[in-house]
Amino acid sequence: DQQVKQNSPSLSVQEGRISILNCDYTNSMFDYFLWYKKYPAEGPTFLISISSIKDKNEDGRFTVFLNKSAKHLSLHIVPSQPGDSAVYFCAANPNNNDMRFGAGTRLTVKP
Amino acid sequence: ETGVTQSPTHLIKTRGQQVTLRCSSQSGHNTVSWYQQALGQGPQFIFQYYREEENGRGNFPPRFSGLQFPNYSSELNVNALELDDSALYLCASSEDHPNYGYTFGSGTRLTVV
Repeated sequence: DQQVKQNSPSLSVQEGRISILNCDYTNSMFDYFLWYKKYPAEGPTFLISISSIKDKNEDGRFTVFLNKSAKHLSLHIVPSQPGDSAVYFCAANPNNNDMRFGAGTRLTVKP
Repeated sequence: ETGVTQSPTHLIKTRGQQVTLRCSSQSGHNTVSWYQQALGQGPQFIFQYYREEENGRGNFPPRFSGLQFPNYSSELNVNALELDDSALYLCASSEDHPNYGYTFGSGTRLTVV
């Protein structure tokens, strides 16, 4: 029962360019979406979130877009930096406890 | 703020044994959740505790159990270990509204042989 899907296991971009990470979901009851970043040997770190009543949330270089009709969200990183290289997880919250995660996308930003 | 700390970092157990993993929540956080992350997968929700009471459970068998203590630290216990239990176990703490983001520990890597 994979309700949150990240179909691209990896993404490679050049430093300074835009990184776009995508996520699809199937459950229309999700009311909050989050992105986490994970470095090796560390736990996931919260990055940015968006409520289902919004379609965009921006925090510095990071912007999350939500398209409810398509059940799709994306994370844009502009400009990308080598330090952004990590695994990015998309997560959705149908209530206050059972957060569902995608399988992750490994982003590599090349200098 | 000391963040979320988990112990041990690595553990090897034999099939059929029992294991206890420990988690110390971030200061001020009253909610703790446990996740299992298999290789190449995203974290899967095991259960959540809020103020020492179980507050939701994922699709895991009863041999996965937990506790939350008055200081909000937590334990995950797994009985009758199976080979498929080999995974990274993540503890995450939050305040009352985890929509603002959990704080995760670095995890315990459990290997069942």
